[in-house]
Amino acid sequence: DAGITQSPRHKVTETGTPVTLRCHQTENHRYMYWYRQDPGHGLRLIHYSYGVKDTDKGEVSDGYSVSRSKTEDFLLTLESATSSQTSVYFCAMTGAGTGELFFGEGSRLTVL
Amino acid sequence: DQQVKQNSPSLSVQEGRISILNCDYTNSMFDYFLWYKKYPAEGPTFLISISSIKDKNEDGRFTVFLNKSAKHLSLHIVPSQPGDSAVYFCAARLFLGGADGLTFGKGTHLIIQP
Repeated sequence: DAGITQSPRHKVTETGTPVTLRCHQTENHRYMYWYRQDPGHGLRLIHYSYGVKDTDKGEVSDGYSVSRSKTEDFLLTLESATSSQTSVYFCAMTGAGTGELFFGEGSRLTVL
Repeated sequence: DQQVKQNSPSLSVQEGRISILNCDYTNSMFDYFLWYKKYPAEGPTFLISISSIKDKNEDGRFTVFLNKSAKHLSLHIVPSQPGDSAVYFCAARLFLGGADGLTFGKGTHLIIQP
């Protein structure tokens, strides 16, 4: 059983439209993260959360916002999608600062 | 400024031989290092880790070595198997409680040839 799931797994959208990606975990973990993976860049942190309604920016946060109203859900929103946001997005979680992150299967977003 | 560097985008190794993946870092405040393995269309999965107070950690066929003075770590896979073909990411954690996640390298694509 996957303790962390992402939806949608695939999405194609047009420039200028809003997009929301959802991450859902069943492990009651405190910390959750959104990363993006791009060729030649590896995994880069977008935003993270250290509790309900507690979030902070990562390395590449411009153009993205997040919300965490419940422990189990962490939403990533692109208010107005651009072609540069075409990427694979990974959600991750961890327990009490152990360092090891557990990743979801990814959401592939294409912005035309 | 890239704090975790994997300078080899790809590596090809014959089945049964040793695979050595390298990683360099610049931030001396990193206190914990991890290796992740990623297959296509899947999320990264944790492979092995090492604390900054150690210089070696072994788990079956996988061994990670840490050289703090050189700010260098390496992952050894012996013997290499076809299922080891994947992208390997080196990652590091800052000594700030772990809330701010991990910093990843760009990855090395390991190809195990029969």
